[in-house]
Amino acid sequence: RKEVEQDPGPFNVPEGATVAFNCTYSNSASQSFFWYRQDCRKEPKLLMSVYSSGNEDGRFTAQLNRASQYISLLIRDSKLSDSATYLCVVNKVDTGRRALTFGSGTRLQVQP
Amino acid sequence: DAGVIQSPRHEVTEMGQEVTLRCKPISGHNSLFWYRQTMMRGLELLIYFNNNVPIDDSGMPEDRFSAKMPNASFSTLKIQPSEPRDSAVYFCASKIRTSGNQETQYFGPGTRLLVL
Repeated sequence: RKEVEQDPGPFNVPEGATVAFNCTYSNSASQSFFWYRQDCRKEPKLLMSVYSSGNEDGRFTAQLNRASQYISLLIRDSKLSDSATYLCVVNKVDTGRRALTFGSGTRLQVQP
Repeated sequence: DAGVIQSPRHEVTEMGQEVTLRCKPISGHNSLFWYRQTMMRGLELLIYFNNNVPIDDSGMPEDRFSAKMPNASFSTLKIQPSEPRDSAVYFCASKIRTSGNQETQYFGPGTRLLVL
């Protein structure tokens, strides 16, 4: 089983739609969580961190459910520019072994 | 401010040749990571350094791969000899290592490697 699992998509949605991605992680010792965004043929960039209480950044809302070990990302009022691959990322912090573990990503295509 | 710098941006080589990828992290960052991304396997961590010291190289595929960080501003990833299955995009990333859990890695633009 992969440490971080995501539905690869693609999710094809019209502009203005609300879309949600989920991600599950297998290591209960994971301590910090992120969503990264990767545009086609570009490098990944941090979209937002995910806090235990849930957090919002404009049209983006991230939530964490530790009991069920899943993370979600909600995008409201989708824009064409939101088209990208969204990577769920988990970090298990210990004595320094291992770093971020990336999911394979969920591809979003927002259509006019 | 300059971000993470990687060179070359593209590399095409023949099987058996040595390949050296280079990375300059963001100034002041003390952790550096090498990743490999393919369609089949996604983004995989190969190795990372804290304060120029390799911490975890368990992701390095095999002995053909080696990485060095001789100083805080430079790292190399070497493949010798290269094989077609090494074809991928290789990313370097850096960050400031803190004791907290919330931290951002900054990725370079990547090196697209094609081994024929």
